[in-house]
Amino acid sequence: SSELTQPPSVSVSPGQTARITCSGDALAKQFAYWYQQKPGQAPLLLIHKDTERPSGIPERFSGSTSGTTVTLTISGVEAEDEADYFCQSAHSSGTYVFGTGTRVSVL
Amino acid sequence: QVQLVQAGTEVKKPGASVKLSCKASGYTFTTYIIHWVRQAPGQSLEWMGWINPGNHNTKYSQKFQGRVTINRDTSANTAYMELSSLRSEDTAVYYCARDLISDAGSLDFWGQGTLVTVSS
Repeated sequence: SSELTQPPSVSVSPGQTARITCSGDALAKQFAYWYQQKPGQAPLLLIHKDTERPSGIPERFSGSTSGTTVTLTISGVEAEDEADYFCQSAHSSGTYVFGTGTRVSVL
Repeated sequence: QVQLVQAGTEVKKPGASVKLSCKASGYTFTTYIIHWVRQAPGQSLEWMGWINPGNHNTKYSQKFQGRVTINRDTSANTAYMELSSLRSEDTAVYYCARDLISDAGSLDFWGQGTLVTVSS
């Protein structure tokens, strides 16, 4: 399947750890990327090539991969991390695909 | 600083076409692919296609094949996306985003989006 599947929602208390999974066949051979989107804003690149953090992204955001599943981990969640998170990958054909999205709620 | 400037809003009737622009500045236009991504209200991001401004190569999502055309004007550092035969389901925010050609995969900078409303 060319789809990328994420859980619709994750709830976490401040200071705890949130983990968001993204599953799809494309991830076995292609890198994954993660984006954060806050209401009314454009997406922001958080993680590229599965595990790399662009400059300016806090260290509490990290990525990992295992087979056809990638995981975004937010350690020590802060209130400002409440947002929608999307994974993304690219097929060898040159087409791109986004995940279904996960809303993170900070309790 | 890097900027991708998009117009604010468009209102179109069903069956019409819309042509959106994305003006780039702050970097070398021909070194980054420009993607178009849309987001319907309350929905996920949906990839539509990309253009390599340097060689004009394009790639489209099969979903939009035949209905979308992505173009560019290198003299104006601007990319365009035209979507035809609009229907109500095309109501969405349309974003452009850049992707480094030499290390493609991640959309590292996004425009603020253009809201397109399709309504009779």
